[in-house]
Amino acid sequence: SQQGEEDPQALSIQEGENATMNCSYKTSINNLQWYRQNSGRGLVHLILIRSNEREKHSGRLRVTLDTSKKSSSLLITASRAADTASYFCATDAWDMRFGAGTRLTVKP
Amino acid sequence: GAGVSQSPSNKVTEKGKDVELRCDPISGHTALYWYRQSLGQGLEFLIYFQGNSAPDKSGLPSDRFSAERTGGSVSTLTIQRTQQEDSAVYLCASSLASGGRSTDTQYFGPGTRLTVL
Repeated sequence: SQQGEEDPQALSIQEGENATMNCSYKTSINNLQWYRQNSGRGLVHLILIRSNEREKHSGRLRVTLDTSKKSSSLLITASRAADTASYFCATDAWDMRFGAGTRLTVKP
Repeated sequence: GAGVSQSPSNKVTEKGKDVELRCDPISGHTALYWYRQSLGQGLEFLIYFQGNSAPDKSGLPSDRFSAERTGGSVSTLTIQRTQQEDSAVYLCASSLASGGRSTDTQYFGPGTRLTVL
């Protein structure tokens, strides 16, 4: 079973708009991580948020974590065409799992 | 420094043949993970190595899949008697794992794209 479940599955926006992706999980965690994947290869770690943190920023990225709802969101502000990729969340539960990802398309 | 490398980058094989996929983790990383990703799907955990401990094989889909890690470094994922449904991108990742499983960032290799005809 998948531990992280991203939503929506696909998102298409115009350059300059903000993109919000959500992730839900099922068990208690110590941390949650967001990754980005271009063209089916090469996952890149974006940001890690620990269970005692509620919000974290990194450049144009903002991640929130609500442990009571077992959910996290990733906000990309002022999106660029280069942000087009799939975004995955993953938890550190005993069996680390990734969801199916959100496919983000940013149109120039 | 060098990242995680995987070889080959692409592998085409015939159904029933065995294949070996190689992963070179980042030097000093004690944890190593194998995942696979079918077209348009998420990442599926396969196996996890941590130092000299027995590997967690809970994600291996069948007994045709096996993996080993020699000297705590290079890992080989072997798929015996390949089937068409084995076609996927196989990704390897490593981490320092100093804080226990999955509390450290995983660094992913570029993957091996396996096609079983």
